[in-house]
Amino acid sequence: LAKTTQPISMDSYEGQEVNITCSHNNIATNDYITWYQQFPSQGPRFIIQGYKTKVTNEVASLFIPADRKSSTLSLPRVSLSDTAVYYCLVGFHTSGTYKYIFGTGTRLKVLA
Amino acid sequence: EPEVTQTPSHQVTQMGQEVILRCVPISNHLYFYWYRQILGQKVEFLVSFYNNEISEKSEIFDDQFSVERPDGSNFTLKIRSTKLEDSAMYFCASSFWGGEKSNQPQHFGDGTRLSIL
Repeated sequence: LAKTTQPISMDSYEGQEVNITCSHNNIATNDYITWYQQFPSQGPRFIIQGYKTKVTNEVASLFIPADRKSSTLSLPRVSLSDTAVYYCLVGFHTSGTYKYIFGTGTRLKVLA
Repeated sequence: EPEVTQTPSHQVTQMGQEVILRCVPISNHLYFYWYRQILGQKVEFLVSFYNNEISEKSEIFDDQFSVERPDGSNFTLKIRSTKLEDSAMYFCASSFWGGEKSNQPQHFGDGTRLSIL
């Protein structure tokens, strides 16, 4: 069964590092893992994408273990404006087709 | 930075009516997608489209739905005979390339809120 799961919610304080994990046991062999940020009444905003090991850009890092059954988004030094819902997006082969499945979403609340 | 734009931002329609949701993908992108998000739930994949054909579709995308690229810039989702449960946010996305091996991320518009009365 193609499925992606994430913790429902997390709280953090400003300036802390936040790590959000997504489990995707049956990810397609050649598929990339993408993370998005979503604010209320807006579309998902691209954060970072990776295939394996570690990827870093100006806003986040993405850690993917060798078995690729999970991935961890790391947000360094979060601020109040990082309060949002974070989703992973992964491709799966299921029932003879390929489709994209968003994770269940993690609601991050950053506190002052 | 180029954006995916969607119109209208909010559409109210009577049950049983047809509705067309419009999207202008990023201009050099070749793959196009529709997703929906029911209030309080996660985003769900509907369909992907490439080279004027549907590439993949989910079980949600049944005969009630259709997609079209009527010209060089627009990408539309048509929902026939709307039902109450079609009420949701519908997001359009585009990417330069797509499919399983693609390292090109999807970029999303801000959605159309569809309310079926």
